[in-house]
Amino acid sequence: DSGVTQTPKHLITATGQRVTLRCSPRSGDLSVYWYQQSLDQGLQFLIQYYNGEERAKGNILERFSAQQFPDLHSELNLSSLELGDSALYFCASSFGQGTYNEQFFGPGTRLTVL
Amino acid sequence: GQNIDQPTEMTATEGAIVQINCTYQTSGFNGLFWYQQHAGEAPTFLSYNVLDGLEEKGRFSSFLSRSKGYSYLLLKELQMKDSASYLCAVRKENTGFQKLVFGTGTRLLVSP
Repeated sequence: DSGVTQTPKHLITATGQRVTLRCSPRSGDLSVYWYQQSLDQGLQFLIQYYNGEERAKGNILERFSAQQFPDLHSELNLSSLELGDSALYFCASSFGQGTYNEQFFGPGTRLTVL
Repeated sequence: GQNIDQPTEMTATEGAIVQINCTYQTSGFNGLFWYQQHAGEAPTFLSYNVLDGLEEKGRFSSFLSRSKGYSYLLLKELQMKDSASYLCAVRKENTGFQKLVFGTGTRLLVSP
């Protein structure tokens, strides 16, 4: 158990819908990272927040957005969902803002878009 | 841009040694991580190299050559539980921010 929690564990929804994935980092960690993992693409970095502020952005679609709240939990919002958005979404956390800190991954949310 | 290459799949026998290679081409290289991921589970950290050379950690070792853009993960005394995907990830710095770029992973199957 990494100490990072993610909810829900599984999510099944339809195309065009909007969902929110939630992540609570390890106690004391200030950075939160979001990744998408699909079968053919591997683990893709989406976005990083540090202490409430966006720090780095990867291949995140405009239909996706994220935020980190004052209590440091983070939410990833996915809208206008498409079949290709079906994937495992991982959240990771680390203490510092630089990625030289080891990242601890949560158990993931499996999103299925029908 | 960045390009990280790993073999897609490898097989080995329990008790043996296996080496998983990773080559990368990226600007702003600032370190390399190896993660282990069992199917459907979260990646877990194995090792980190930022300087050239070998880092040893129990049955696992990782090597880095920055001039060659090359790393390997060495697993000794293989156990059945080592069957998993092994992800090579490059830390890349760009405009003051850093991010991890993952390879697609090497699926290792350990047989009795």
